[in-house]
Amino acid sequence: QKEVEQDPGPLSVPEGAIVSLNCTYSNSAFQYFMWYRQYSRKGPELLMYTYSSGNKEDGRFTAQVDKSSKYISLFIRDSQPSDSATYLCAMSAVGSARQLTFGSGTQLTVLP
Amino acid sequence: NAGVTQTPKFRVLKTGQSMTLLCAQDMNHEYMYWYRQDPGMGLRLIHYSVGEGTTAKGEVPDGYNVSRLKKQNFLLGLESAAPSQTSVYFCASRGTGAEKLFFGSGTQLSVL
Repeated sequence: QKEVEQDPGPLSVPEGAIVSLNCTYSNSAFQYFMWYRQYSRKGPELLMYTYSSGNKEDGRFTAQVDKSSKYISLFIRDSQPSDSATYLCAMSAVGSARQLTFGSGTQLTVLP
Repeated sequence: NAGVTQTPKFRVLKTGQSMTLLCAQDMNHEYMYWYRQDPGMGLRLIHYSVGEGTTAKGEVPDGYNVSRLKKQNFLLGLESAAPSQTSVYFCASRGTGAEKLFFGSGTQLSVL
């Protein structure tokens, strides 16, 4: 069993829809939780970062972490065609090297 | 404003050949990482470095070697390429105390 599980999709939604992306994990030592966005043939870029449990909002994006359930989510409001990309969750435990464990990624397409 | 630069961008090898992938960063980051990305597997850590002259194994180190002779460069070597090493390789760097990984644009490697 992988340490981080993520539904690969693909997920297709109409423009303006609310998108929910999720990951589950098994390692209770994970404290840092991130979402990266990766456009086709590009390297991933950090989208959201959360430490421990709670919510974080940045514009149309909201990240949620529920450590009791080992479950993290990314919500995208008013989705746009430019949001079409692969979304990767990533997490790490406390440590100097801060090695990230990534989910397999969810491919999202927002249709105009 | 280069950030993280990977060379080459594409390469085709025959089984048994060797090659070196170069990663260069101009942000004075201490931490550097090599990942491989395969369909359905997400990003998996091959090797990483916490500073000049140091290297450490990640999740999938077999068949690869690395060197960090200069702070700004992190080299990934394949001594005897195998078809199982066909993948997209990403280099990333991170500053001390920061959470954000900066990724290069990737190297598409095919081993025939």
